[in-house]
Amino acid sequence: NAGVTQTPKFQVLKTGQSMTLQCAQDMNHNSMYWYRQDPGMGLRLIYYSASEGTTDKGEVPNGYNVSRLNKREFSLRLESAAPSQTSVYFCASTTGDNTEAFFGQGTRLTVV
Amino acid sequence: GQQVMQIPQYQHVQEGEDFTTYCNSSTTLSNIQWYKQRPGGHPVFLIQLVKSGEVKKQKRLTFQFGEAKKNSSLHITATQTTDVGTYFCRRSGGSNYKLTFGKGTLLTVNP
Repeated sequence: NAGVTQTPKFQVLKTGQSMTLQCAQDMNHNSMYWYRQDPGMGLRLIYYSASEGTTDKGEVPNGYNVSRLNKREFSLRLESAAPSQTSVYFCASTTGDNTEAFFGQGTRLTVV
Repeated sequence: GQQVMQIPQYQHVQEGEDFTTYCNSSTTLSNIQWYKQRPGGHPVFLIQLVKSGEVKKQKRLTFQFGEAKKNSSLHITATQTTDVGTYFCRRSGGSNYKLTFGKGTLLTVNP
């Protein structure tokens, strides 16, 4: 049982390049989330998907897009990367609002 | 969105000292969860508190939920180097399913 799997684990992009961060969970969870983590800023919600077929903006959605491809997969896309998007990105999933959140291992992204 | 405030932001202790982090909300919480993130790792669930005044223990960790369900605390007795990491509280998001985390308390322990 892998839980939440994120790929890639590390990535370096040049300013203006695009990329997609992949996330998949095998726990049949309804809700999935993307966070970014910067020093001193905690976990800031980028986008979330309460259930398959729905996506909503979080606190810091600008510069990102998401796709809930199916119940298992929730991807995060950076269309034109900027140095301000250098961060650690975490995907998480839950069965519902009041249940334990499971996190992926994180993607460490550097934009130069 | 409705936030939870965590204090302190950083705490450095000598091994063997106690440690407490607090999570405060301006609104009543339906529940509160606590997570631990080791350096270089990802957040891992520790516990969930649901009832007013609830107290739960996990070995040297004691979790409390306030009577008014607006605050919570995590207390570690006699810290060890294995306790190093960032401790986050998380409130439920209500009907919109957002997961709202506090900014976390970074605990460092001097051996």
